[in-house]
Amino acid sequence: GNSVTQMEGPVTLSEEAFLTINCTYTATGYPSLFWYVQYPGEGLQLLLKATKADDKGSNKGFEATYRKETTSFHLEKGSVQVSDSAVYFCALSDRRGGTYKYIFGTGTRLKVLA
Amino acid sequence: GAVVSQHPSWVICKSGTSVKIECRSLDFQATTMFWYRQFPKQSLMLMATSNEGSKATYEQGVEKDKFLINHASLTLSTLTVTSAHPEDSSFYICSASRTGVDYNSPLHFGNGTRLTVT
Repeated sequence: GNSVTQMEGPVTLSEEAFLTINCTYTATGYPSLFWYVQYPGEGLQLLLKATKADDKGSNKGFEATYRKETTSFHLEKGSVQVSDSAVYFCALSDRRGGTYKYIFGTGTRLKVLA
Repeated sequence: GAVVSQHPSWVICKSGTSVKIECRSLDFQATTMFWYRQFPKQSLMLMATSNEGSKATYEQGVEKDKFLINHASLTLSTLTVTSAHPEDSSFYICSASRTGVDYNSPLHFGNGTRLTVT
């Protein structure tokens, strides 16, 4: 079945460091890929998405490219800030018959130190 | 746009009682809503898919008689935890998908409900 695997955290970085959070997926069809962010005590918010191969999603300085050949959707940011501290979830959605289903990775906690 | 309101944000109840959690889409219609449970190590588990006007679809291992889901309108789904026990204590999150969109569209999440059963 479909699945999403992301690197375990926590990831601890100093402010202005470069961030990469790895995400790989398995899917039988042509899924859409998403990154969501969860701040403490809150629900998830969409960070960015990509709907087909080679698409690049970007938002708030974060980027991720849909790589079909490596089945990956790694999240990157060139210079993190303390306010980026949160849990990041990689997810895919795929059509199953007449419905669709979202599958989430286990989340990666990011801590950015001033 | 695309705001999902979840209520209450936290609740404490005694063992054996029932608790209802509401999930409302405030500015859009949602034929489909999803209920998740988040465990302490942040893992997000899909419990059930709620469809307006029909029975919810539960994931394997989720007790449908314990976690009652009702999706009576295009803007409201409710999750009732019946006869709650301490092991039901968790963070419950709902999400909604706009009516008419497909799987390329993102989900919109509520802010979650922290349930503590004493």
